Amino acid sequence: AQTVTQSQPEMSVQEAETVTLSCTYDTSESDYYLFWYKQPPSRQMILVIRQEAYKQQNATENRFSVNFQKAAKSFSLKISDSQLGDAAMYFCAYRSADTDKLIFGTGTRLQVFP
Amino acid sequence: DSGVTQTPKHLITATGQRVTLRCSPRSGDLSVYWYQQSLDQGLQFLIQYYNGEERAKGNILERFSAQQFPDLHSELNLSSLELGDSALYFCASSQQTGGAVNEQFFGPGTRLTVL
Repeated sequence: AQTVTQSQPEMSVQEAETVTLSCTYDTSESDYYLFWYKQPPSRQMILVIRQEAYKQQNATENRFSVNFQKAAKSFSLKISDSQLGDAAMYFCAYRSADTDKLIFGTGTRLQVFP
Repeated sequence: DSGVTQTPKHLITATGQRVTLRCSPRSGDLSVYWYQQSLDQGLQFLIQYYNGEERAKGNILERFSAQQFPDLHSELNLSSLELGDSALYFCASSQQTGGAVNEQFFGPGTRLTVL
């Protein structure tokens, strides 16, 4: 069975600085997708970024980028120029290519200080 | 606003009771998913429906059941409620099933409190 591990329960960053959230996963599959979701205090789950495992190029969405290391089964999220609105819980998630079921990590709470 | 609606927003009930949570997917989406977010279990997948048919099942208890209706809205029924069922229940929807670009859009959740 696939598992997703987020080893940092909490992280903090100064406004305008850069922070990296870690995620590792375990799978025997070769084809899958990885996601980072943001859950602000409103509890709404918002997709931040997606990575297809067959793509070597790391995904980027504005200030958000990932470092995808397939061999190491690592999928970290880098937030550049952090903003107060980035404060939230961040969940890493895995999806097999042949299902739609998302498997989530335990989350990292990110605090952003002015 | 994701376009997925869930009712009610909050639900408070007693142990042993039965409740129904309702979800309306985004217009045009055929797949509906239910997830449970609790302090003990984290965020976990319960069940998926695609165009009215059950597509995938996760860690859903036998006391829980779901269905998707012809108009594509879905209901999650929770019965014989226990204290441990207190959680935030999310519904998500997507256009299809499978494929790389099958993004799931999450609703705002229903907060269930069992006293």
